[in-house]
Amino acid sequence: DTEVTQTPKHLVMGMTNKKSLKCEQHMGHRAMYWYKQKAKKPPELMFVYSYEKLSINESVPSRFSPECPNSSLLNLHLHALQPEDSALYLCASSQESVGRGGPQYFGAGTRLSVL
Amino acid sequence: DAKTTQPPSMDCAEGRAANLPCNHSTISGNEYVYWYRQIHSQGPQYIIHGLKNNETNEMASLIITEDRKSSTLILPHATLRDTAVYYCIVRNRDDKIIFGKGTRLHILP
Repeated sequence: DTEVTQTPKHLVMGMTNKKSLKCEQHMGHRAMYWYKQKAKKPPELMFVYSYEKLSINESVPSRFSPECPNSSLLNLHLHALQPEDSALYLCASSQESVGRGGPQYFGAGTRLSVL
Repeated sequence: DAKTTQPPSMDCAEGRAANLPCNHSTISGNEYVYWYRQIHSQGPQYIIHGLKNNETNEMASLIITEDRKSSTLILPHATLRDTAVYYCIVRNRDDKIIFGKGTRLHILP
């Protein structure tokens, strides 16, 4: 089983709203990732959590706030987003941290629209 | 920046083998070649990876040249469901995944 589950599948929010994206995996993976993908572009890494600690932040604006409550869950809290933040947000996990290699397994993504 | 070069698009007839090339001329000795694909509106899907030996799994085969400067992903019997963007990625154990632009593969009925 290589399933990463993301909820919700679609989200529409205003620029003053606060919302959260959720990601869950039950593969025992110890590294989890958030990516952002704009239309017709490849995914771009945002954050990496390794053993529930934030290990990489790719200079993401503070209106995006990641959280890893436990080894199976990853959240992305959204606040005061801009229309240009509209994108597909992808979660991934891998068996070990990014420093140890191994494939990443991706969820289906949350398609976010900011009005 | 991505360390790989791929053709932007390719066509393949259904039922034939799809051979997707990737150039990675600056690859280092400890860097792996990974392949992912992304079907429209879905998350990327891991396909296969290798270091220097050829690899095969239930989805595909990966052929890496002896000098490791290029590789080919082979889908042995392409179906319409294999229509996707295929990403070739070079990374070592300490690197993040950096996606390039990939190859858009069209399977023709």
